[in-house]
Amino acid sequence: EIVLTQSPGTLSLSPGERATLSCRASQSVSSSYLAWYQQKPGQAPRLLIYGASSRATGIPDRFSGSGSGTDFTLTISRLEPEDFAVYYCQQYGSSPSMYTFGQGTKLEIK
Amino acid sequence: QVQLVQSGAEVKKPGSSVKVSCKASGGTFSSYTISWVRQAPGQGLEWMGRIIPILGIANYAQKFQGRVTITADKSTSTAYMELSSLRSEDTAVYYCARSTEPGGWYWFDPWGQGTLVTVSS
Repeated sequence: EIVLTQSPGTLSLSPGERATLSCRASQSVSSSYLAWYQQKPGQAPRLLIYGASSRATGIPDRFSGSGSGTDFTLTISRLEPEDFAVYYCQQYGSSPSMYTFGQGTKLEIK
Repeated sequence: QVQLVQSGAEVKKPGSSVKVSCKASGGTFSSYTISWVRQAPGQGLEWMGRIIPILGIANYAQKFQGRVTITADKSTSTAYMELSSLRSEDTAVYYCARSTEPGGWYWFDPWGQGTLVTVSS
């Protein structure tokens, strides 16, 4: 089973700054099977990025994803007040067939 | 635009079972997978399993094998997740989520609003 480790656990930044969130896999992951979600308090998660770098419908272009193999990154180019939330990476693995999530990165206002 | 609406909050005794429903409206149901994901208070997301309604085939995370049953009723576009032998550690918000593409292993969008299940004596 592949384990996803996200870092940092908490990231404190100000609006307008650039955020870089990391997701590291314990084994190589196909880029096709890596996604990112945003979750705000009291809400369900929202799909941001799939296939490591494709933005979901309606997601602003300040959000971008990159990476391959075991290292993936979510970048928010200029933070807006509504971007402060918890972010999760997710992957699909075939042995066994299942999805796993990282433990999350909390992006908070500095 | 498909929407997923889940059943309401539940309070259950340890050792009992809970069944949560997830009704889809406004889009195709049967050929898309429905997954169940739970989130304990203050914790992260945990995938429990999924079903492809058109086939009636379910896959489960190993952690929940034997304790969770996921079913679907195509006639009402509703998926169900039943968790048995409940313990306090099962207290969580349970979400359903639809895959972005039919069949296969795809991403989750949209999600239901979540159902809080509290296990307490």
